[in-house]
Amino acid sequence: GAVVSQHPSRVICKSGTSVKIECRSLDFQATTMFWYRQFPKQSLMLMATSNEGSKATYEQGVEKDKFLINHASLTLSTLTVTSAHPEDSSFYICSAGASLTSLVEQFFGPGTRLTVL
Amino acid sequence: GENVEQHPSTLSVQEGDSAVIKCTYSDSASNYFPWYKQELGKGPQLIIDIRSNVGEKKDQRIAVTLNKTAKHFSLHITETQPEDSAVYFCATLTGTASKLTFGTGTRLQVTL
Repeated sequence: GAVVSQHPSRVICKSGTSVKIECRSLDFQATTMFWYRQFPKQSLMLMATSNEGSKATYEQGVEKDKFLINHASLTLSTLTVTSAHPEDSSFYICSAGASLTSLVEQFFGPGTRLTVL
Repeated sequence: GENVEQHPSTLSVQEGDSAVIKCTYSDSASNYFPWYKQELGKGPQLIIDIRSNVGEKKDQRIAVTLNKTAKHFSLHITETQPEDSAVYFCATLTGTASKLTFGTGTRLQVTL
């Protein structure tokens, strides 16, 4: 149980284009979804938190107009990197939160490697 | 906000030896302490977790200890195997925020 998928696993795009990444919870309903970015040999940095049907809450320093997050259902969230530039190249990881106990436990997807040329 | 420090950044052990990774945190309100294993090119996978009302938890070769007074927790891997080689991250969660704060990671290399 608690499987989270991401699509695509890898994407290469030209500078200035937009890229959409999907995150799905396959066997449970996620009350909250989280988006992280991870640069090589570094830790995961939280970008934003989204609850189904609500606007995402962005972490300080993350441009909400550049990283558009949609959480339209309890099993799907999307991250769109708009007008991507080479500095946006990174490993993007989502996690889906479920209130299995008194805590919201997070289950991570396999990540999406974005390379902007 | 929460600050999590993790040591060491790299750790090399021989197969069969034990490995210990330590984390300290700053927010006394943190109440959930998971450990994740991340293999190259993949997302983090939860390997063990502990809650604030427990001091120690064990799952086969993996154990976690928590000292809430000192605000530190540790991951112990016994009888290490080559497939244990990966990057390990500790994290804390503050219940009201439901946001994980990650440590900086430890690259574990198990050599034959």
